[in-house]
Amino acid sequence: QEQLVESGGGVVQPGQSLTLSCTTSGFVFRRFGVHWVRQAPGKGLEWVAVMSSDGSSSHYAESVKGRFTISRDESKRTVFLRMDRLNTDDAAVYYCAKVARGDFWVMDVWGQGTTVTVS
Amino acid sequence: TVMTQFPATLSVSPGERATLSCRASQRIDNNLAWYQQKPGQAPRLLMYGASNRATGIPARFSGSGFGTDFTLIISSLQTEDVAVYYCQQYHTWPPITFGGGTKVEI
Repeated sequence: QEQLVESGGGVVQPGQSLTLSCTTSGFVFRRFGVHWVRQAPGKGLEWVAVMSSDGSSSHYAESVKGRFTISRDESKRTVFLRMDRLNTDDAAVYYCAKVARGDFWVMDVWGQGTTVTVS
Repeated sequence: TVMTQFPATLSVSPGERATLSCRASQRIDNNLAWYQQKPGQAPRLLMYGASNRATGIPARFSGSGFGTDFTLIISSLQTEDVAVYYCQQYHTWPPITFGGGTKVEI
């Protein structure tokens, strides 16, 4: 079945960098974009970034623009989120999610998340 | 576009109907999705296009609305439906935006 698995979370100090990975399986990777969504402790969902299926376009939330970079590696079926200049507001569980068929901005399959702590 | 959900918490007896509301700060046509997040789990897509159930979602879940006001109804609440429910607009992007969530409890 369609599956996404996040990895790379951890504890970093403010100002440091971290790269998250989202490894996928069970669907034709080159046909679907992937989103990143985060959830701070005890809070709601916040959309972070998305990359299109062919990697030609990406979009970012204003809160991370210029600091975070999304990319993808077709050979590894993996999407990355590089996070630079991290601050305490970036602490959250980060989920990757697959773009739904027919709706680029709807997310139909989610990973279990990876936790980023900035302290 | 700011999404507002109410109530923040909804207490419903098993077998009873649960009605969740979501309001957009500007018109979003039917570009609205609903997600369910059970404790300790990732979100799951419930509805898209305001009224279309996602794959595998039970028929007791239904969605409606157009423009600025939307509703998610659970016709007969089951214990496994205890969760936080989020609406998300995708009419104006980026960014897409989520509501603050409604917690459904027994």
